[in-house]
Formats: sequence, structure tokens, C-alpha cells
Amino acid sequence: GENVEQHPSTLSVQEGDSAVIKCTYSDSASNYFPWYKQELGKGPQLIIDIRSNVGEKKDQRIAVTLNKTAKHFSLHITETQPEDSAVYFCAAPRGGSARQLTFGSGTQLTVLP
Amino acid sequence: DAGVIQSPRHEVTEMGQEVTLRCKPISGHNSLFWYRQTMMRGLELLIYFNNNVPIDDSGMPEDRFSAKMPNASFSTLKIQPSEPRDSAVYFCASSLPPGYVHPNRNQPQHFGDGTRLSIL
Repeated sequence: GENVEQHPSTLSVQEGDSAVIKCTYSDSASNYFPWYKQELGKGPQLIIDIRSNVGEKKDQRIAVTLNKTAKHFSLHITETQPEDSAVYFCAAPRGGSARQLTFGSGTQLTVLP
Repeated sequence: DAGVIQSPRHEVTEMGQEVTLRCKPISGHNSLFWYRQTMMRGLELLIYFNNNVPIDDSGMPEDRFSAKMPNASFSTLKIQPSEPRDSAVYFCASSLPPGYVHPNRNQPQHFGDGTRLSIL
């Protein structure tokens, strides 16, 4: 099955700086990589996803990059704001295009004002 | 648009009692997932339904756990009897069917706000 590792587990940045969170996966057949943001007391919310046929995707201040050769993908948040503070999770399918996802262990991002 | 709706939001009960968690997926979504989140184990998939049929229940911890989806708009996760180690946040998620052009194309999963379960 798929193994997803996520780093770092905690990240503190100054408001306005950039934040980068990295994940690696084990199954080279995996083709879909979502990122979720979870605020306290809430469920994970999809913020961006990328499919294996592209190397980068952007949505305003958020971007995701994918390196299929190295089997890793990263979340980039630019111009961070206090409301970006949350736990972020990456995920990958359990093999190829499986509907079931394996989640990373999460990154607690704190944006300091 | 209404998102995934879970009830109750919080449940506190004594060990040995039966617990039933409920989920209403987003209308039109044909896949439903139950997850459990704990500090120790993170976010774990318990069971996955497609078109109301359980497809993968390999994550269900033991026979005390059962899940049903009697129709496209309702699912339950039941624990009987409950134990303190079942204390966790339980999430339900749903997703659209794969596209007709790309039948193996994964669709985003949308999560509810969870049920925080405490077994005393």
C-alpha cells in the first residue's frame, strides 16, 4: 500500500513570509495528490490538488509542485497571513487511481503576526 | 450548498454503550468514506462505500464496528460495545463519481466537521 511521509510536523513563519510543506510517497503509480487544511474543531478542507500529468498548479497564494521522478510533492503558501494558521495534510491514493487516500501525519503551521 | 452533515457533533457515553454516528453526504456524491482521527494514528480510513455498497472495510478496527449505507443520502457508523480506546474524532467524507471520460480519475473528497466521541 501507499506510504506518505510529511515534513515538517510543525512550522512557524512570520506574517508575510512563505511556508513550504513537503510530502513523499512510495507508489510510483499514484496519480492524484490533494492538500487539506484543518482548522480547530473543523473537518479537513480541500485547498488544492494536483494530478500526475502536471508539475505545478497555482491558486492565488497557494501552489503545489509535483516531482514524479523523486516521488515528492510540496505545498507552497506565499505572503502568509494569520488566518493561514492551521494543520495541513497531504494525501495520495492507495495505489494508482484508488479512491482510498492515505494521509500524511500533518503539519501544524503557525503564522506569527 | 450544503456540505457533508454529521451528527451528533459531540458524544460522551460510558463504555459498553452502543454509539451511532450519522452522516448525510453531499447530494449527487456517490462515494462515502468514514475516517477516524487520533493524535497517535492520525487520519485513518475505516470504510469506503461506492453507490451505497461497501467496497473496502479493511480499516474497520474490529467486529465491534459496523457501517451501513441504506440509501444515497444517509450512512451510519455504529460501535457496539464501545470502549475508551474508541475515543476519537470520526469524520465522514463524500466525493463525486469518477468522470465518464476518465473513469479512473480521482475526485476530491469533501469532509464533514466530524463527531467528537468520548468513551468514559
